[in-house]
This record gives sequence, C-alpha cells and structure tokens, in this order.
Amino acid sequence: EAGVAQSPRYKIIEKRQSVAFWCNPISGHATLYWYQQILGQGPKLLIQFQNNGVVDDSQLPKDRFSAERLKGVDSTLKIQPAKLEDSAVYLCASSLVGNEQFFGPGTRLTVL
Amino acid sequence: AQSVTQLGSHVSVSEGALVLLRCNYSSSVPPYLFWYVQYPNQGLQLLLKYTSAATLVKGINGFEAEFKKSETSFHLTKPSAHMSDAAEYFCAVSDGGYQKVTFGTGTKLQVIP
Repeated sequence: EAGVAQSPRYKIIEKRQSVAFWCNPISGHATLYWYQQILGQGPKLLIQFQNNGVVDDSQLPKDRFSAERLKGVDSTLKIQPAKLEDSAVYLCASSLVGNEQFFGPGTRLTVL
Repeated sequence: AQSVTQLGSHVSVSEGALVLLRCNYSSSVPPYLFWYVQYPNQGLQLLLKYTSAATLVKGINGFEAEFKKSETSFHLTKPSAHMSDAAEYFCAVSDGGYQKVTFGTGTKLQVIP
C-alpha cells in the first residue's frame, strides 16, 4: 500500500515570496492533517480536514497560510507571503476517521 | 490542556546498552499516549501506543513503554541499543483518541559503537 506522498521535498525561497506544498494521502483516508515542525520542536497541527471540510484550523496563521482539499483527496498548503520564521518541515498525515495517523516524508522549507 | 515533557533533548548510549527515554504527560482526561520515531529526512513512524488497555505496551523494533498513572509517565525503553536505533523520538498525548495529538519536543538518540 502506498504511503502519504508529499512534494516538493525541499524548497528554498526568499522572504515575501509565495510557496505551495502538495499532499496525496493514503487511498481511502478521509482525514488529512498538516503539521509544522520547526527545528528542535515537535510537530504542531496547522489544520485538519475530514473529506473536504475543515475540522480544526485554530493554529493556522490565516493572514498568510491557506489550505484546501478539493474533492476530499489531495491537499495543498500555501504560504503567502513567507517570513523567515516559516522555515520548518511541513508534514502531511492522513488517517481513517478516528484512527492512527500515517505521516508523509515532509517538505523542508527554507526562507532566506 | 494536554501536554508532554520529554526530559533530555539528546541521549547517548553505547551499542548494546539499555535505552531509556523519559516522557511525562499532563491530561485532564484519560489519555492516549504515543511514541513516534523520526529518521533523518523522513516522516514520523508510530512505535507504540497506549489506549487504556494493558499498561505495559510493546512496540516495533524491540521497544516498549509502561504507563504509570501515579507518576504521569510513559517512558520508552529497549534492553539493548542497536546502531539502527539512532533517530529522534517523540512522545505524544491525546485526549483519548487519535486526532488531537500534542507532541513533545523530541529526544535525539545517539548510539555509540
């Protein structure tokens, strides 16, 4: 069974630029999560979807971050404009409803 | 609010020695507790979980953890470290499900030959 796929794996941008990350969850998983993992810290939940609806986005900085999950499958996370403090690994995870989360390999973002 | 505290951001052990990674939790309801492992440039992989059944939980790769309610602890152990165990380990807590999971800051395990 294929795991959670993420792209790109690495991205370097200048501050104030825009960037987008893509996640393809495990087939059949209705729940999708985006986490931000800053160096030296544990992952922090940014947003949780169930199918194409948002369940929790309380920690998403909505002035610059946005996410969507069209058709309840793939998801994109966008940052516009990026700040230096957005440098982190962005992890996507998926699960069956109410079950164990499976994580993708992450996208490492460096903002210069 | 739930939280976890991992004692020691870096732990070094000799190959073949006991591995002990410490985790204390705080939760207002009976928690689910997790240990995840993260290898360089990879995502998190679930090692083991406590979901209110047996207090001694066995996971993959020879790891186990014991839930101690009186000490609010969930320490991770392995009797004999292997070079392949070198990674970062995260303790995590939820409010009784798999969804609202709060992660600790992680402990990097170094295994010395």
